Parts: sequence; structure tokens; C-alpha cells
Amino acid sequence: GQSLEQPSEVTAVEGAIVQINCTYQTSGFYGLSWYQQHDGGAPTFLSYNALDGLEETGRFSSFLSRSDSYGYLLLQELQMKDSASYFCAPDGGGATNKLIFGTGTLLAVQP
Amino acid sequence: DVKVTQSSRYLVKRTGEKVFLECVQDMDHENMFWYRQDPGLGLRLIYFSYDVKMKEKGDIPEGYSVSREKKERFSLILESASTSQTSMYLCASSSPRRGWRNIQYFGAGTRLSVL
Repeated sequence: GQSLEQPSEVTAVEGAIVQINCTYQTSGFYGLSWYQQHDGGAPTFLSYNALDGLEETGRFSSFLSRSDSYGYLLLQELQMKDSASYFCAPDGGGATNKLIFGTGTLLAVQP
Repeated sequence: DVKVTQSSRYLVKRTGEKVFLECVQDMDHENMFWYRQDPGLGLRLIYFSYDVKMKEKGDIPEGYSVSREKKERFSLILESASTSQTSMYLCASSSPRRGWRNIQYFGAGTRLSVL
């Protein structure tokens, strides 16, 4: 079977650093992606890790450990506009590019 | 920029009506997806299509069907709408994996209310 776990809610203050963890279990695995969704908006792509290690894109970094079936999204220098839901989405592989989305993590950034 | 356009932002229908949700993408993507999003349940895959006239069931296909007659257009059909299908519906598209990244591009969503 497949499963996906990430915290339902995280709260942090402006300027802080926050880490959103994700553990997954899938029948196949090609990589781990992260999406951001603001309230009322569409999910938008943030990052994709195909290999173990850290990928950095500006204030956001994403990490993957394939052997542990674990990844995280790290947000630095938090801003109010980072308040949103964040979804980790394992890529189960195959030609159809299906991603497995879960319930996401609601991040609330407070002043 | 990739553009995925859903025909309606808000839709109100009555129980038993046949409902069509339309999605068009302008990037010549082979793959298209329909999700529904409900509070506490996240994004759940209803159907996806990997080519014209090709479709596969996702995790929650009951009560839905799809149509893909042209590459750029993917329609979700509620044969007989029920109140349990009140939800936010999101369409997405992607190209077959080239290199190492797999990115889905989403439309703005259609919020459907069935009364």
C-alpha cells in the first residue's frame, strides 16, 4: 500500500526558520516534490528531489533521504506571505507522472 | 508560462443534474489530471489521462467520468450530481518526465456546490 504523513499544522513567527517533515511509503518511488497552496489558490510547484540530499532555491530548501523514505521542506527568513498549505507529493514513477498528494501542512506565520 | 484554464471558478448545480467541468492547457502536455480537494482530506485523484482518448481511474472515480477528445482539453463529468460531490475541483497537466523532474501545473479550481 501507500501512505503519506506530514504535520497538519505548523505555526512560526516572521523571520524564523521552519521545517515541515514528510514520511512516505509508496510501491514505487522516483522522487519527492513539494507544492505550495495559498488559501483559495491553486497548488504551485516549489521543488523536486530525485536524489538524496539538499536542494536550495532561495529561502526554501528541500531534503530527501530515500533510504529513510523521508524528506523535509525548510523555509528560512519566514515572511507573512509564506502562510499557506504545503504538500509533499511522492512521485511513484511510471510514464503517467502521477503524484501522491496528502492532506498537506497548514503553515501560519505570525508577526 | 504554462497555463491551465478551468472554465468556471464557481458553479452551483442541483441534485441529479449532469455537470461538465472543463479544463484546457496550452502547453501540449500529454498528461492531465482531475483532483478534488476537501477540508481535512487533501487532494484526491479522481481520473487522469495520459493521451487523447486514454484515461485511467484514480483513487475516487465513483460517480465521475471523463472525456479527452483533444490533447489540450480534459473534461470531468458528474453523471448525476449529488450533494456529496460539493467540493473544489482542480485540474492539472504535466508532460512525460524528461530528465529528472516531474512537475504538475494546476488550474485555479472550480468550486462546485450541489444543492
